[in-house]
Amino acid sequence: GEDVEQSLFLSVREGDSSVINCTYTDSSSTYLYWYKQEPGAGLQLLTYIFSNMDMKQDQRLTVLLNKKDKHLSLRIADTQTGDSAIYFCAERSNTGKLIFGQGTTLQVKP
Amino acid sequence: DAMVIQNPRYQVTQFGKPVTLSCSQTLNHNVMYWYQQKSSQAPKLLFHYYDKDFNNEADTPDNFQSRRPNTSFCFLDIRSPGLGDAAMYLCATSRFGGEAFFGQGTRLTVV
Repeated sequence: GEDVEQSLFLSVREGDSSVINCTYTDSSSTYLYWYKQEPGAGLQLLTYIFSNMDMKQDQRLTVLLNKKDKHLSLRIADTQTGDSAIYFCAERSNTGKLIFGQGTTLQVKP
Repeated sequence: DAMVIQNPRYQVTQFGKPVTLSCSQTLNHNVMYWYQQKSSQAPKLLFHYYDKDFNNEADTPDNFQSRRPNTSFCFLDIRSPGLGDAAMYLCATSRFGGEAFFGQGTRLTVV
């Protein structure tokens, strides 16, 4: 079946790097996404990676994809207090649906 | 400029009283989605439209209906809201196979 799993909580100090991990089960996924959700708001697309890529970098964000292990990670360099939010990993299944993980709450301490 | 707009941002309804949530988009995307998100949980897909084709998830309760009168607008109708339907409702749009863009959501409270 289709399933996406994430660790629920991560706490870092301001200026450190954050790494949020995700595993998925659908090997036919074409795209994998990272969304950010601030309290009371909708989901904001941060970045995505196509399944034939290993890495994608976008300013402070680096996405790593290990397709063999079905493991996706999001690294945020120089984490700021404004990065505090819930981060959702999502895969696009072969039926076209977006399947979300439970979200990782990132707490950034000053 | 907001591309996916949901109204209202906050909705309070009475138990059993029908309620409609609305979503509009300026992206001209052919796919529109409705998700339900309860506190500390992943968004759960209720249904989606590919153009006018309606696709209902198997576990979406019959209490939830949707209408898409044109490309730009989509509505979520809850016929008889129960306390368990209190949640954030998220609308999203995409091109087929493309990334999804979300609105700010409507937080529904049932009293």
